[in-house]
Amino acid sequence: EAGVAQSPRYKIIEKRQSVAFWCNPISGHATLYWYQQILGQGPKLLIQFQNNGVVDDSQLPKDRFSAERLKGVDSTLKIQPAKLEDSAVYLCASSSWTGGGYGYTFGSGTRLTVV
Amino acid sequence: RKEVEQDPGPFNVPEGATVAFNCTYSNSASQSFFWYRQDCRKEPKLLMSVYSSGNEDGRFTAQLNRASQYISLLIRDSKLSDSATYLCVALGNYGQNFVFGPGTRLSVLP
Repeated sequence: EAGVAQSPRYKIIEKRQSVAFWCNPISGHATLYWYQQILGQGPKLLIQFQNNGVVDDSQLPKDRFSAERLKGVDSTLKIQPAKLEDSAVYLCASSSWTGGGYGYTFGSGTRLTVV
Repeated sequence: RKEVEQDPGPFNVPEGATVAFNCTYSNSASQSFFWYRQDCRKEPKLLMSVYSSGNEDGRFTAQLNRASQYISLLIRDSKLSDSATYLCVALGNYGQNFVFGPGTRLSVLP
């Protein structure tokens, strides 16, 4: 089974620039998550999709972050404009569970450095 | 108060030692719990689920105390390869997303 694919692996941008990350979940997984992990902290949920609908985006800084999953498969996360404090690893995860909880699989992440 | 809290660490232990990590969660409605392992500059990977009756997987034992809202992970006979950050995870408020603790870093020393 292919894992969760993310790209790019690394990105360095200047503050106020825009950046986009891409995620392709495990085939057949209806639920997709974007997490932000700042160095030394645990991952923090930014947004959760069920198919192409948003389930939870309460911690997404909507003034600068946006995410979509138009066809219920791939997803993109965008930051516009970036700030220094956005430097983090952005992890995508997917799961097939529907309310039970079986753990889910992470992609290898995109490491963003804002300078 | 954070939803999931863990021992701050880091834990530095010699090979062969037994080490225990503690975790507490604030959402009494959480139904599922997990331990994830995260190596440096890698993504978190599922180590084990935590069941009410407690469960064991080789050298690893997980315990759940719902009354105290407490989860533990015990590692026996530590190996150098066990060096990593261990993340405690509880099902979140919406019932479908995970809330991660800050993690506890373990270094097993030769």
